Amino acid sequence: KAGVTQTPRYLIKTRGQQVTLSCSPISGHRSVSWYQQTPGQGLQFLFEYFSETQRNKGNFPGRFSGRQFSNSRSEMNVSTLELGDSALYLCASSLAQTTETQYFGPGTRLLVL
Amino acid sequence: GQNIDQPTEMTATEGAIVQINCTYQTSGFNGLFWYQQHAGEAPTFLSYNVLDGLEEKGRFSSFLSRSKGYSYLLLKELQMKDSASYLCAVRDQGQAGTALIFGKGTTLSVSS
Repeated sequence: KAGVTQTPRYLIKTRGQQVTLSCSPISGHRSVSWYQQTPGQGLQFLFEYFSETQRNKGNFPGRFSGRQFSNSRSEMNVSTLELGDSALYLCASSLAQTTETQYFGPGTRLLVL
Repeated sequence: GQNIDQPTEMTATEGAIVQINCTYQTSGFNGLFWYQQHAGEAPTFLSYNVLDGLEEKGRFSSFLSRSKGYSYLLLKELQMKDSASYLCAVRDQGQAGTALIFGKGTTLSVSS
């Protein structure tokens, strides 16, 4: 079974631009979560989607948004990029919601100049 | 509030045993996970504890004490490939869904 895939793997943007990242979960997984990883803060939860609905949101500004499609694929968008948004963005999928283990994709490394 | 603490760095030698501790404070508790992350790679799942006690999986074991808000990951017969960051994560019962709260990770360096 294929793992979680994320595209693109690397991205360079400039301040003020916006970016869209994509995540395809493991086949059959319906829950997709997004995390931001930085050296200083570690892994921080952004939001979670299940059956096309956002079920949970972390403490990030409204510039960070996401959505999930009927095939469980998910996208996250960051508008008006800031230098501090440079990070590794990780997507994780799980079968359902409550107690299932999350499996991570390879991440998208975003550099904002 | 929610807080997860683990040591920043640890060092050990090949063949040795190392214990990585994790303490947590959350408003609720619905499971504790350990992940391994090699530099530049995605975190990979190691273990899951939801009840008190020890879970053993090959060279890796994980222990949980819910009353103490404490867990540890035990790595035996260390190998060079075990050099990685080890992430402790807690699922907060107060939150819907599968969101995990992560500690900042423990970087383990294994030398020969």
